[in-house]
Amino acid sequence: DQQVKQNSPSLSVQEGRISILNCDYTNSMFDYFLWYKKYPAEGPTFLISISSIKDKNEDGRFTVFLNKSAKHLSLHIVPSQPGDSAVYFCAASSDQTGANNLFFGTGTRLTVIP
Amino acid sequence: GAVVSQHPSWVICKSGTSVKIECRSLDFQATTMFWYRQFPKQSLMLMATSNEGSKATYEQGVEKDKFLINHASLTLSTLTVTSAHPEDSSFYICSAPGPGVYGYTFGSGTRLTVV
Repeated sequence: DQQVKQNSPSLSVQEGRISILNCDYTNSMFDYFLWYKKYPAEGPTFLISISSIKDKNEDGRFTVFLNKSAKHLSLHIVPSQPGDSAVYFCAASSDQTGANNLFFGTGTRLTVIP
Repeated sequence: GAVVSQHPSWVICKSGTSVKIECRSLDFQATTMFWYRQFPKQSLMLMATSNEGSKATYEQGVEKDKFLINHASLTLSTLTVTSAHPEDSSFYICSAPGPGVYGYTFGSGTRLTVV
């Protein structure tokens, strides 16, 4: 049973525009959420995270929004750049310390068109 | 920054042989290592959790006798796929909590192809 879902397998965005990647989860025990970026043949690299006590976290061009009541989070990239083209995974955990596992979504392939 | 070095990056082996995958934490100690597997168009799925100095914990449906995990030191965890079969062909990746309280560091992954 997929506890973290990314329902859009792919997304294409024009350079300079905003990219919005969405993620839904089912487990109400999750309280820590992360976004990873993955290039082909490489492992996912950490991008940005958010704790359930917040509803927004911003880091440069990347902003993650969390809606706990809807069990939904989104990653906004603005402005989008061609180098942002990659697969983005959202992940969730019930423990920020790393003692528990991360549950990953299936990923969304973002293509930023120059 | 912290790095988890995973080797080999890719391996092709014959059916019936065994393959060992290593994950080594650099510049930090990894008392825990998560081992994931990803099939095409699927998410990273946890296979097992290794803890330094103790037996690994396997997820349901993962054969512990087939996927041998050893975590003998604070910086090295290994996954051995024994008697590999074509259905074991997949992308295997390790991850360690850290550095710091938050975050996880992933290895670069191993693409295993069993022919």
